[in-house]
Order: sequence, then C-alpha cells, then structure tokens
Amino acid sequence: SQTIHQWPATLVQPVGSPLSLECTVEGTSNPNLYWYRQAAGRGLQLLFYSVGIGQISSEVPQNLSASRPQDRQFILSSKKLLLSDSGFYLCAWSDQEVAFFGQGTRLTVV
Amino acid sequence: QKEVEQDPGPLSVPEGAIVSLNCTYSNSAFQYFMWYRQYSRKGPELLMYTYSSGNKEDGRFTAQVDKSSKYISLFIRDSQPSDSATYLCASNSNSGYALNFGKGTSLLVTP
Repeated sequence: SQTIHQWPATLVQPVGSPLSLECTVEGTSNPNLYWYRQAAGRGLQLLFYSVGIGQISSEVPQNLSASRPQDRQFILSSKKLLLSDSGFYLCAWSDQEVAFFGQGTRLTVV
Repeated sequence: QKEVEQDPGPLSVPEGAIVSLNCTYSNSAFQYFMWYRQYSRKGPELLMYTYSSGNKEDGRFTAQVDKSSKYISLFIRDSQPSDSATYLCASNSNSGYALNFGKGTSLLVTP
C-alpha cells in the first residue's frame, strides 16, 4: 500500500533563516506531488505541483520554491523565511483522481 | 467564483443526530468527488470517493453527487463525538492535475 511521509511535524524558525521540508512517497511510481499551505479560515492553498522529476509548477508567486530530485521525493525550500511564511504545510500525492496527504508541518516563523 | 464552494460552519449537533454536509461546484467537467476529514493539527484523510453521480455508502457515511445541480453531499448517521472534525469536499476533472477544494466545514458533535 502507498504511504506518504512528511517531516518535521513542527518547526520554529527565525526570520531570515532557510527552510527545507521534505516529503517522500512509498508504494507507487510517478505520482503527482503537491505542496499546500493551509491557513485558518482560508482553506487549502496549492503552492506547487509536480508531474515528474524536475518538473515543478508554481501556483502562486512567493518566497518559496520546490524541487523534485527523485520520483517520490518532493522538497519545499526557502532561502530566507518571512513572518508571513508561518502556517501549516501539507504534502500530498495523487494518481490524478484522488489525493492523499501527509500529516503536515506546522511552521512558525519568529 | 471559486470552483468549489462550501459553508464553513461551524455546525454543532448532538450525539446521534444525522449530519448533512454540502458543497456546490461550478465546473461541469468534474467527475471525481471526494470528502476528506481533518482532525485538528493533522493532515486531511480521505473519507469517501465517488466517480460521476450517484450515492456511495460506507458504514455510517453516505456520499451523494447530483451532477444536474452540481451538488455534493456527505451524510453522517448516528453521529459520534469522534466525528468532530473539519470536513473538506473536493472535486477534479479527468484532465486536471490538482484537486479543487472547498474551504471545509467545521463539525462539532456534542455528547
């Protein structure tokens, strides 16, 4: 069966520091991969999606970037965090029909 | 107009009540319809998944899609306090890369 791992679960980072969140999927090949950010009362905001290695589409311009170095690995990065980057970040994979989510990373930028 | 609209609630019901959660969507190309349950500080968990229109039942949960009115519903029978969570509806076309999510409805089932 397929599983998705996302870490860390919580993270507190100072403003201006770099960020790297990692997500890996097991039990499937060539999945579509996604990074979402969830803010209270605003629902899920799609940040990036990838349909293959090295293929990244950005949905919103921002301080973040994503990379897919391997088929089942998706990384969310920032060179310098802003206070506004605080939020709940979710990685997901899909077979183009339904999506399955990781447990999320709660990022607090202080 | 958002592709998927969902009343955010909150919705509060007594234990044992029947709960009805609803969404509307705007894109007639959508064919896949999903409900996710999300507990506080956790990732969304896929609860129900239907293709095209009709009903699907799983235990106390029934998902219903009416494509003529572009209406998606989730019914929870004999609701339990453990059903207290945020429920998100989502839909997708067979050519889409990303699901279209509602904002979620917060449900509280009181003992």
